[in-house]
Amino acid sequence: DTAVSQTPKYLVTQMGNDKSIKCEQNLGHDTMYWYKQDSKKFLKIMFSYNNKELIINETVPNRFSPKSPDKAHLNLHINSLELGDSAVYFCASTSGAYNEQFFGPGTRLTVL
Amino acid sequence: GQNIDQPTEMTATEGAIVQINCTYQTSGFNGLFWYQQHAGEAPTFLSYNVLDGLEEKGRFSSFLSRSKGYSYLLLKELQMKDSASYLCAVRDTNAGKSTFGDGTTLTVKP
Repeated sequence: DTAVSQTPKYLVTQMGNDKSIKCEQNLGHDTMYWYKQDSKKFLKIMFSYNNKELIINETVPNRFSPKSPDKAHLNLHINSLELGDSAVYFCASTSGAYNEQFFGPGTRLTVL
Repeated sequence: GQNIDQPTEMTATEGAIVQINCTYQTSGFNGLFWYQQHAGEAPTFLSYNVLDGLEEKGRFSSFLSRSKGYSYLLLKELQMKDSASYLCAVRDTNAGKSTFGDGTTLTVKP
């Protein structure tokens, strides 16, 4: 199936831990994104990569570090997790007819 | 930067027509998108406008007025499955970044 996939789908962890979320797209897109959607459903962009190069870096704590080993993958590593990091994290990629974004299924992160 | 406003909630009746408005202020405009997001799922693309006017796609239409910084999504012949959040997103000329509005939660009632 052609799609944007994320792992894991659910992540429950303790404050202070370090965790990673992985994203892969097999759509041949050049640009990938990480978004955070909080409990109020606000969808906020965090990072964007184009061909493995960081092009958008919003005001995000430096505990969050994205890594793009190749243009099909964009991972997100989070250090020293805090309660406020609990959210759904969506990966997306773009290069459709209108450069619309294709979203992954999301990773629901719960920090206890 | 971007500033996007859309109503928080709307309710409509099955079979009716509903219009969801979006107003925006942007420093550089390069297109407006509408996405649908069902509860617990990912957003999915509905429509795109970059020029003024109406784009029609089946039961869904989207309109744009760049001079007024205004768009709307029109949903006709509402079905129960249209109950979802509708997100307006504006792309600017800076690295193709899209900023999303806070979404309009539409509830369709029988």
